[in-house]
Amino acid sequence: DTAVSQTPKYLVTQMGNDKSIKCEQNLGHDTMYWYKQDSKKFLKIMFSYNNKELIINETVPNRFSPKSPDKAHLNLHINSLELGDSAVYFCASSPHGAGNTIYFGEGSWLTVV
Amino acid sequence: GEDVEQSLFLSVREGDSSVINCTYTDSSSTYLYWYKQEPGAGLQLLTYIFSNMDMKQDQRLTVLLNKKDKHLSLRIADTQTGDSAIYFCAERRGGSTLGRLYFGRGTQLTVWP
Repeated sequence: DTAVSQTPKYLVTQMGNDKSIKCEQNLGHDTMYWYKQDSKKFLKIMFSYNNKELIINETVPNRFSPKSPDKAHLNLHINSLELGDSAVYFCASSPHGAGNTIYFGEGSWLTVV
Repeated sequence: GEDVEQSLFLSVREGDSSVINCTYTDSSSTYLYWYKQEPGAGLQLLTYIFSNMDMKQDQRLTVLLNKKDKHLSLRIADTQTGDSAIYFCAERRGGSTLGRLYFGRGTQLTVWP
């Protein structure tokens, strides 16, 4: 029944590793997002996809690569993890349209050691 | 400025009303949101208001919007200990395709019994 689901919820990994976070939404929404919340709780958009097409790509290191195999899924792959990548990563989705509400997943807590 | 501003902390006694204030930046923002984040949890959409409204009430929650001053507030009546959380104000900027949320840094609400 979960609307926007992300896996894993917790991830602890060493510097230099490559890891992926998966996201799926069952709301039939056209648009999906990745947001990052840093240690000071500040939330900022990273990427947005609309119908599998990349729409928004903020100033994010190219070690971060989103992939959308279909409009219900948006995965985030991170290469060569660094300590500063430790954060909570939130997936979100919304129907297409300026007035449509954005719904968030539960978050993925990434800790790089 | 570019930032959505919120005060960082608010403490109230159980049963009192809480008022969390926010100043947003873009007068053309069409929708403004309040999200709640409990410790270790994801972002829960609490309520939102369309920019042509002055007020919206939803049970214990009242949202007031002053578009001239770009000021948004969230009032929680009869605040309970379970309301202790971080409350994020967000504005949606951009159109239907490039729209995204810009968040404040969150207000930590602590409710004392």
